[in-house]
Amino acid sequence: GNSVTQMEGPVTLSEEAFLTINCTYTATGYPSLFWYVQYPGEGLQLLLKATKADDKGSNKGFEATYRKETTSFHLEKGSVQVSDSAVYFCASGKGGNNNDMRFGAGTRLTVKP
Amino acid sequence: GAVVSQHPSRVICKSGTSVKIECRSLDFQATTMFWYRQFPKQSLMLMATSNEGSKATYEQGVEKDKFLINHASLTLSTLTVTSAHPEDSSFYICSAPLAGGADTQYFGPGTRLTVL
Repeated sequence: GNSVTQMEGPVTLSEEAFLTINCTYTATGYPSLFWYVQYPGEGLQLLLKATKADDKGSNKGFEATYRKETTSFHLEKGSVQVSDSAVYFCASGKGGNNNDMRFGAGTRLTVKP
Repeated sequence: GAVVSQHPSRVICKSGTSVKIECRSLDFQATTMFWYRQFPKQSLMLMATSNEGSKATYEQGVEKDKFLINHASLTLSTLTVTSAHPEDSSFYICSAPLAGGADTQYFGPGTRLTVL
């Protein structure tokens, strides 16, 4: 079955620093890969996704590339802002009605001014 | 975008009592909703799939008599934790897929249950 391992936090960065949050997956077949973000007091929101090898998902300055050879989907942002402070979840699998998604444990990011 | 709400956001109850958590899709209909449980510093774990008009499907190891799920309408699913015990204390999250939006789940903000 699918499983996801992501970098443990918490991660604390200064504004404009470079961010990497590592995520690796194990899966049978070729799952879709996702990054979700959870801001304080809110539900998880889809940040970006990639559905096949070498696809790059991007949104709000965040990027992640589906690497089949290293089974990874690391999240990166070149210059973080205070407003990026949140918990980030990596996930793999299928969404929709046939849900077999598996989530990482979440990484809490705090960005200081 | 699509919004999913949960109520209550936080509940504290005594051991042995039952607690009901509601999950609503506010601006779309959801024939299917999902219930997750999250322990501190751990992954979201899928507990069950809630199906409108039919019985819920439970993941292996989840007691269906303990966690009662009712999908009463196309916008409401409820999770009832029956005879709650301290080990049931956790963060419960629901989600719903948008019809035609393959792979996209919309999540509620979660309910923190504390059983004393």
